[in-house]
Amino acid sequence: DIQMTQSPSTLSASVGDRVTITCRASQSISSWLAWYQQKPGKAPKLLIYEASSLESGVPSRFSGSGSGTDFTLTISSLQPDDFATYYCQQYNSYSTFGQGTKVEVK
Amino acid sequence: EVQLLESGGGLVQPGGFLRLSCAASGFTFSNYGMTWVRQAPGKGLEWVSIISGSGDVTYYADSVKGRFTISRDNSKNTLYLQMNSLRAEDTAVYYCATPKVMGATGGFDYWGQGTLVTVSS
Repeated sequence: DIQMTQSPSTLSASVGDRVTITCRASQSISSWLAWYQQKPGKAPKLLIYEASSLESGVPSRFSGSGSGTDFTLTISSLQPDDFATYYCQQYNSYSTFGQGTKVEVK
Repeated sequence: EVQLLESGGGLVQPGGFLRLSCAASGFTFSNYGMTWVRQAPGKGLEWVSIISGSGDVTYYADSVKGRFTISRDNSKNTLYLQMNSLRAEDTAVYYCATPKVMGATGGFDYWGQGTLVTVSS
């Protein structure tokens, strides 16, 4: 099974900060990686698919990069609505989620 | 408009069973594989199971293999998850989800609202 290691688990940041979350796969997953945002009590929201494709309606401050085993989600300028938990998901072989990164107010 | 609506959750004793349903609308259901994802209280997302659009291919997480069965009725646009031999660690919100790209097994652009399963005596 493919394991996904996401870091950090918690990130403290301020509005306007550039935020970077990383996800590492235990083996190559090509570009079969998605990123989600989840707020308490809500279903996850797709942000990025195929490692770098921005989902329709998602602000352009979100971007994804990487291929193979190492991936990054970047928020270029953190906005108040962005405080949430973020998950990566590999879907090269079945599917596995990372353990999540909570972005909290510094 | 795409909609996924789960039902069937509730309180069940350890060793018991439940069947979850996910009613889909707004897209050609039979063209898309469907997935169940769960989230234990205060925990992260866990992939549970996937079924192909035709229903002939299924996969399961090791944690539920042999106890859970995924199925679908394309004539009713409905996805199911039969959960047997339930354990306390199966307590979670269960979501159904569908991928953005036909044939993909991830990148879920539509999710249901979730249904809570609580396994407790």
